Amino acid sequence: DGGITQSPKYLFRKEGQNVTLSCEQNLNHDAMYWYRQDPGQGLRLIYYSQIVNDFQKGDIAEGYSVSREKKESFPLTVTSAQKNPTAFYLCASSITGGSYTEAFFGQGTRLTVV
Amino acid sequence: GENVEQHPSTLSVQEGDSAVIKCTYSDSASNYFPWYKQELGKGPQLIIDIRSNVGEKKDQRIAVTLNKTAKHFSLHITETQPEDSAVYFCAGHGSSNTGKLIFGQGTTLQVKP
Repeated sequence: DGGITQSPKYLFRKEGQNVTLSCEQNLNHDAMYWYRQDPGQGLRLIYYSQIVNDFQKGDIAEGYSVSREKKESFPLTVTSAQKNPTAFYLCASSITGGSYTEAFFGQGTRLTVV
Repeated sequence: GENVEQHPSTLSVQEGDSAVIKCTYSDSASNYFPWYKQELGKGPQLIIDIRSNVGEKKDQRIAVTLNKTAKHFSLHITETQPEDSAVYFCAGHGSSNTGKLIFGQGTTLQVKP
């Protein structure tokens, strides 16, 4: 089945540690996105990539980093510089990075800092 | 840049009643407005979308209306069922041709049997 796979579903991290969230898609989509979801704030864009080896900062990129070495993969690293990393993280992809393109979401990773 | 405001934040209706969720956007150049449904512990799924050259779109019990002049769009769910209970997000897609969506704050819909 085609889709977006995020792993792990739940992740616990100690303060001061970096952690990487995985996102893989087999939809042959060019564009991929990372969103952060907090209660009452909707989804906020962290980073996005329209094509392999290229990515741009979203609205809340501070404390995060990404790479896009393969079309299928767009991992997100939450660094120790992120002040409040506990949240639900959603990865999405779309056929292209242009207008009118539906975004398909993964099931999310819930990160908790302990 | 684009800003999307969504109301209400919570909505409770009786089964069979209609539900309406409203969103406003700031960028007059925005041209695509999807609605997503998110069930507990899952990622959002697209349920309906509308382009700026269309005023209304229907899909069975779901409809979306768009008023470009007033810069607002609404989701209408008729004959609500308990399985409609979820969080609903509207989104705007700006003219920057990047594919990125700006989401509203979300509406938690509860349909009481």
